[in-house]
Amino acid sequence: QLQLQESGPGLVKPSETLSLACTVSGGSISSSTYYWGWIRQPPGKGLEWIGTIYYSGSTHYNPSLKSRVTIFVDTSKNQFSLKLSSVTAADTAVYYCAGGMRQGEIDYWGQGTLVTVSS
Amino acid sequence: QLVLTQSPSASASLGASVKLTCTLSSGHSSYAIAWHQQQPEKGPRYLMMLNSNGSHTKGDGIPDRFSGSSSGAERYLTISSLQSEDESDYYCQTWGTGDWVFGGGTKLTVL
Repeated sequence: QLQLQESGPGLVKPSETLSLACTVSGGSISSSTYYWGWIRQPPGKGLEWIGTIYYSGSTHYNPSLKSRVTIFVDTSKNQFSLKLSSVTAADTAVYYCAGGMRQGEIDYWGQGTLVTVSS
Repeated sequence: QLVLTQSPSASASLGASVKLTCTLSSGHSSYAIAWHQQQPEKGPRYLMMLNSNGSHTKGDGIPDRFSGSSSGAERYLTISSLQSEDESDYYCQTWGTGDWVFGGGTKLTVL
């Protein structure tokens, strides 16, 4: 049973880069069985897909965020990470990492981490 | 464009059943979806994957009270014998070529 845990700063200044990591336990980050991704949820709102990464290294990003987002894997730490540049208050949200293993559905969720963008 | 549509809210009485709907956009009626539950102040939890033929694969520990079905472009989540802890937001999710798409969510109130 996979478990995912987000980590990173809870407060980021406007115009800076938000950096989060997701540590995976119970399975290998580099296994061809899995795919991984990031989702966010602004306070009081619904879920928004940020991007996904596959074992091949291929990435797919939400077009509305694509110019600011990078997702990558660190196999030595069994982690995958998110970088979101030039943040504004609109990027304040709970950020979730997630993973799946079949067709594209999300089977596993992290518990989420609140990131506030404020000076 | 691949879009999922959900009613914003639903309500049902304790012990009763409720059927939530997720509608796929035109041209995408063959797509599978997943249902996720988000209890208040918690992260989402995977409930099941639901195919266009109504077959579904539930997550570990998901009670038999939760079931899924399909008709055309509509995907349903039925919760029977409603309990207070079922009061949650329910999201449907599907996928295209590498992307994930979410419905707007349905807030279920248990009366």
